[in-house]
Amino acid sequence: DVVMTQTPPSLSVAIGQSVSISCKSSQSLVASDKNTYLNWLLQSPGRSPKRLIYQVSKLDSGVPDRFSGSGSEKDFTLKISRVEAEDLGVYYCLQGTHLPYTFGAGTKLELK
Amino acid sequence: EVQLVESGGGLVQPGRSLKLSCVASGFTFSNYGMNWIRQAPGKGLEWVAYISSGSSYIYYAETVKGRFTISRDNAKNTLYLQMTSLRSEDTALYYCARQLDRDWGQGTLVTVSS
Repeated sequence: DVVMTQTPPSLSVAIGQSVSISCKSSQSLVASDKNTYLNWLLQSPGRSPKRLIYQVSKLDSGVPDRFSGSGSEKDFTLKISRVEAEDLGVYYCLQGTHLPYTFGAGTKLELK
Repeated sequence: EVQLVESGGGLVQPGRSLKLSCVASGFTFSNYGMNWIRQAPGKGLEWVAYISSGSSYIYYAETVKGRFTISRDNAKNTLYLQMTSLRSEDTALYYCARQLDRDWGQGTLVTVSS
């Protein structure tokens, strides 16, 4: 199985600060169709997860452009510029290239 | 608006069975692959099973293979998860999700305990 190593496990931030979350996979996530199926999700407290970014860097509809994704092969980053209160929660990376699909352990974003 | 509404969860004894349902609306259900994903209390997310739009392709996590069966009824816009030989480690909030993670339901809680 592909292991998704997500760091850091938690982040304490002030509103307006910028943060980055790393996700590293144990195998390349480039699929046979040349796409890279690495997604980022946010689970706000008490809510279902919500996808923010798919295929490394494509923002889902309605997601603020304060969010950005980058990376390739096995090394990926989610960046949040100017954190707002609504951004707090647990962020997960997810690989959809190899079965079984696997998630990172999550990064909890909290207010400082 | 896409809606996914899970049901069927509850308290069940180890070794017993339970069947979850997920009713979809707001999109053409028969066009999309669907997944079950679970989250144990206070833990992270675990993919459980996938079924293609026409049920031709079905995949399971090793932790549930041979015990869980994913199925769908496109005429009823409904996804199912038949769970047998339940174990305490199957205790979780079970979500259905469209296209792996594009849209999620609110989840249904399954508790396996004697």
